[in-house]
Amino acid sequence: KAGVTQTPRYLIKTRGQQVTLSCSPISGHRSVSWYQQTPGQGLQFLFEYFSETQRNKGNFPGRFSGRQFSNSRSEMNVSTLELGDSALYLCASSLEAAGNYGYTFGSGTRLTVV
Amino acid sequence: AQSVTQLDSHVSVSEGTPVLLRCNYSSSYSPSLFWYVQHPNKGLQLLLKYTSAATLVKGINGFEAEFKKSETSFHLTKPSAHMSDAAEYFCVVTVAGGTSYGKLTFGQGTILTVHP
Repeated sequence: KAGVTQTPRYLIKTRGQQVTLSCSPISGHRSVSWYQQTPGQGLQFLFEYFSETQRNKGNFPGRFSGRQFSNSRSEMNVSTLELGDSALYLCASSLEAAGNYGYTFGSGTRLTVV
Repeated sequence: AQSVTQLDSHVSVSEGTPVLLRCNYSSSYSPSLFWYVQHPNKGLQLLLKYTSAATLVKGINGFEAEFKKSETSFHLTKPSAHMSDAAEYFCVVTVAGGTSYGKLTFGQGTILTVHP
């Protein structure tokens, strides 16, 4: 079966612009979460959605937002990009919100802000 | 609240020798624990998970981990390292309750180097 699909794989944006990243979870998975990976901070939790509801949010500024659609696909948006937003953004899906089944990760979107 | 500490940032072994990657965790609720592996320029792959069943967990590629509640540890082991095991490994905790609901907390990662 298809895994978690993230698009695009690579993005280059200019400071001040905004960007939208997309994540399609494994079919049947209703929980989608987003993570930012940087060399300095490691992997940090952005937010988690379950059945179109944001269940939890990490310590990121309001410029970072997300949503989930009725088909469980999710998008995250970053407005007013800063150089420090350059990172690998990973999406993960799970069968249910508690994570007992484990989370399957996509290959990520590499965002470079110049 | 939950946290994870990976005790070694780098581990170097020779091919064919045992691997031990150490992880301690902290959580306010009963945890679910995972080990993930990340090869260069790739996403994260689940190696194994503990979710309150058997304390000795077997995963893919010959890896296993033992959940020790008294020591709050979840160390990853493999009897014999292979060159293809060279990668970065992450210990991860999550809980099904409180403000951590649905959130994975990652350790800082351990880079495993395997020498021929």
